[in-house]
Amino acid sequence: NAGVTQTPKFRVLKTGQSMTLLCAQDMNHEYMYWYRQDPGMGLRLIHYSVGEGTTAKGEVPDGYNVSRLKKQNFLLGLESAAPSQTSVYFCASSYVSDTDTQYFGPGTRLTVL
Amino acid sequence: GENVGLHLPTLSVQEGDNSIINCAYSNSASDYFIWYKQESGKGPQFIIDIRSNMDKRQGQRVTVLLNKTVKHLSLQIAATQPGDSAVYFCAEIQGAQKLVFGQGTRLTINP
Repeated sequence: NAGVTQTPKFRVLKTGQSMTLLCAQDMNHEYMYWYRQDPGMGLRLIHYSVGEGTTAKGEVPDGYNVSRLKKQNFLLGLESAAPSQTSVYFCASSYVSDTDTQYFGPGTRLTVL
Repeated sequence: GENVGLHLPTLSVQEGDNSIINCAYSNSASDYFIWYKQESGKGPQFIIDIRSNMDKRQGQRVTVLLNKTVKHLSLQIAATQPGDSAVYFCAEIQGAQKLVFGQGTRLTINP
């Protein structure tokens, strides 16, 4: 199993541009999550999904949208990127509940100029 | 507000010594805690977890201690090795689907 994979690994955007980060998992997990990690801070939850076709807001959802059209994929979209969204983004998945172990992807480093 | 935090941002230990990384939490309703290890350029990796009905749990070279009275969590790593160099995060479940991470402690190993 590849586990949790993320594409792209790196991206540089200009302010106002849009992009989509893709997360894929091959572990048949129901729950998927998007976090951002900023220097000197722990991970903060952006959005999450408890199953195909469902999404919900996390701690810092503003400026982001998500979609879970397929169970194995969780997409994070930035419609109009801002420098404040410069961060490292991590996707995670867990089996059936939030108390199950979350498995993380390798991260996407995004810079917004 | 509720938070999960760490006492020290950095910890240096000699190779072969034991490491103890501490974490304080403030949400007394949390009932599940996890320690993650994050190596440079990688995503967090699960190390060990503990539920609030336990005060100690052991894994391979790692032990987590939970003191609910003082809301304190610690991770002990026995015989620290160079491969243990990383940032360690404690995290807690605060309500449904809300895994809250602390800031992290950077562990460095001196040869």
